[in-house]
Amino acid sequence: AQSVTQLGSHVSVSEGALVLLRCNYSSSVPPYLFWYVQYPNQGLQLLLKYTSAATLVKGINGFEAEFKKSETSFHLTKPSAHMSDAAEYFCAVSPSGGKLIFGQGTELSVKP
Amino acid sequence: DGGITQSPKYLFRKEGQNVTLSCEQNLNHDAMYWYRQDPGQGLRLIYYSQIVNDFQKGDIAEGYSVSREKKESFPLTVTSAQKNPTAFYLCASGGVAGTGTGELFFGEGSRLTVL
Repeated sequence: AQSVTQLGSHVSVSEGALVLLRCNYSSSVPPYLFWYVQYPNQGLQLLLKYTSAATLVKGINGFEAEFKKSETSFHLTKPSAHMSDAAEYFCAVSPSGGKLIFGQGTELSVKP
Repeated sequence: DGGITQSPKYLFRKEGQNVTLSCEQNLNHDAMYWYRQDPGQGLRLIYYSQIVNDFQKGDIAEGYSVSREKKESFPLTVTSAQKNPTAFYLCASGGVAGTGTGELFFGEGSRLTVL
């Protein structure tokens, strides 16, 4: 069965530090992979997506993610955290364009 | 602007009352979805529809009902049978599963509080 695991329900970083949010997936068919961000009391907004082109994907707000097939991972990174990055982040997989499967989410806190 | 509109943003109801949450999209998407979000539990799929006049149960459909009479609209009714309806509800739309990348576009959400 297809699934998504986000390691760490809460991640805290200092402003200016590296952000690393981990996502591992399982899929028996070629996956499309997504990261969404959610600010309090708002809907989900697409940060970036992997659709089988370049394995290093750049998104909005300085985020990027690398698709590593051998590790079945799609970790999200940002070199320098900003206070405005504080939000909840969801990783999701779509097996061959099928129904999206979401991870449990990771809440990112940014300390001044 | 193209997008998904959910209303109302905040809704308060007494126990035992049915409530209907509205979701309208002008993205010309065939598929629409309803998710429920509770703190620490991620997104749970309630119902989805891939075509007008057809819909399928998701993982937590009990106590909810939907209709899909128009491509643009997918209202969700939270019935009195739903034991714990207080939650944040998200509507989303996208292409038919299996025909694209699976990307979904989300509305701003509706927060239902049952008193």
